[in-house]
Amino acid sequence: GAGVSQSPSNKVTEKGKDVELRCDPISGHTALYWYRQRLGQGLEFLIYFQGNSAPDKSGLPSDRFSAERTGESVSTLTIQRTQQEDSAVYLCASSLVGTKLFFGSGTQLSVL
Amino acid sequence: SQQGEEDPQALSIQEGENATMNCSYKTSINNLQWYRQNSGRGLVHLILIRSNEREKHSGRLRVTLDTSKKSSSLLITASRAADTASYFCATAPNTGGFKTIFGAGTRLFVKA
Repeated sequence: GAGVSQSPSNKVTEKGKDVELRCDPISGHTALYWYRQRLGQGLEFLIYFQGNSAPDKSGLPSDRFSAERTGESVSTLTIQRTQQEDSAVYLCASSLVGTKLFFGSGTQLSVL
Repeated sequence: SQQGEEDPQALSIQEGENATMNCSYKTSINNLQWYRQNSGRGLVHLILIRSNEREKHSGRLRVTLDTSKKSSSLLITASRAADTASYFCATAPNTGGFKTIFGAGTRLFVKA
C-alpha cells in the first residue's frame, strides 16, 4: 500500500497475556518509529530503527516491551505479560532519514 | 522525559482569529516539525524547519525557530472550525541519528 499500515486496528486482551502489534512501513523508508499515546496525552517515544544500525530502545518502559524489524520492512512490537497501564494507542511511523514522519492509524490496545 | 513542551496546553478562539502555539525544547536539534492530530489517531505532518532556518511558511501556517532560545512557534492565521485539533511539535535531537521526540501538544478549539 501507499501508506503505513498497522494491525490489528484494535486489540482487547486479558491482563497477563502477550500481544504482538505489527507495522508495515512505506516501501523505501529506512527509519521506523514506535510511539505510545495514552488518552488525552502526547506521544511517548518507544523505539527507533534506522537502516541496519542498532535500534534506539531508550524509550521502552520495561523489559516486557520489545520490538524487532526485518531489514527495512515489517516491524513488530511485543508486549509480554500485559498490564492495565499498557492500555493505549500504539502508533508506528516511517520516514526517509531526516524527513517528515508518516504515521499509521495506530493500534488501540485495551488490557482488561 | 519529553524533549519538547508546548504552550498553551489548550487554546479556544473564534473562527477568523489567529492562533499561536509555542514549543520549547532542551537540547540542540537537527530539525523541528509540527504535526496535527484530529480526534482519532492519525497524525499529519504540517511543516519541518531545519536548525539553520529561522522561518517557514505553508499556506496559512507560519513557523519560526529560535535556536538560541530553544523555542519555536506555530501561527495559524484566519483560523477555521476545521483547524480544531491537537498540535504537536517534534524534535530530532542532535545526538546522532534522527530519533524524533514529541511534546505533549496544544489542544486548539476554533468556535464557528
